[in-house]
Amino acid sequence: AQKVTQAQTEISVVEKEDVTLDCVYETRDTTYYLFWYKQPPSGELVFLIRRNSFDEQNEISGRYSWNFQKSTSSFNFTITASQVVDSAVYFCALSEDYGQNFVFGPGTRLSVLP
Amino acid sequence: KAGVTQTPRYLIKTRGQQVTLSCSPISGHRSVSWYQQTPGQGLQFLFEYFSETQRNKGNFPGRFSGRQFSNSRSEMNVSTLELGDSALYLCASSLTSGSQRGYNEQFFGPGTRLTVL
Repeated sequence: AQKVTQAQTEISVVEKEDVTLDCVYETRDTTYYLFWYKQPPSGELVFLIRRNSFDEQNEISGRYSWNFQKSTSSFNFTITASQVVDSAVYFCALSEDYGQNFVFGPGTRLSVLP
Repeated sequence: KAGVTQTPRYLIKTRGQQVTLSCSPISGHRSVSWYQQTPGQGLQFLFEYFSETQRNKGNFPGRFSGRQFSNSRSEMNVSTLELGDSALYLCASSLTSGSQRGYNEQFFGPGTRLTVL
């Protein structure tokens, strides 16, 4: 069965600190997709990144970086030099269906304090 | 290109009533998926419609149903509302359905916040 675990329920950091959000997934499929979404207080899910199971390259995009490791079934997300605007709930999600029918993790609420 | 739109954005109902939520996908998209978000259960997949047919269904009771019209717009219906149905209902659209021509990105709407009193 597919499952996504985000062990950190809430994290608080002070502005400019680096923070890593953990995501561990379970799947029996060899082909799957992993995602990170940000949900600000407005409620809309904001797409951040996706990775497919054949692409273990880490990625950096500005202050964001992602570390995908199939050996540990993890897809962790790091924000460097955090800002107050990064405060939101972050969801990791898994799709075994080519980007459909997501299984979401429980989310990590990140609070960045000024 | 307009994004996914959901109406209404906010809704208040009482227990026992029924409710219909609407989702208009991005123009040209034929797949619509629905998700429920509650503080207790998090984000959960409800069902997916593609070309007016339900293609996939999550683990929800029969009170939750949906349909899709020929223009790909979708409605979700919840009958005999319970307090626990209070949630943010998110709709997502994509061009095609899963497993067809590889990866198929979903775009989420802003959601409908349903409160059941």
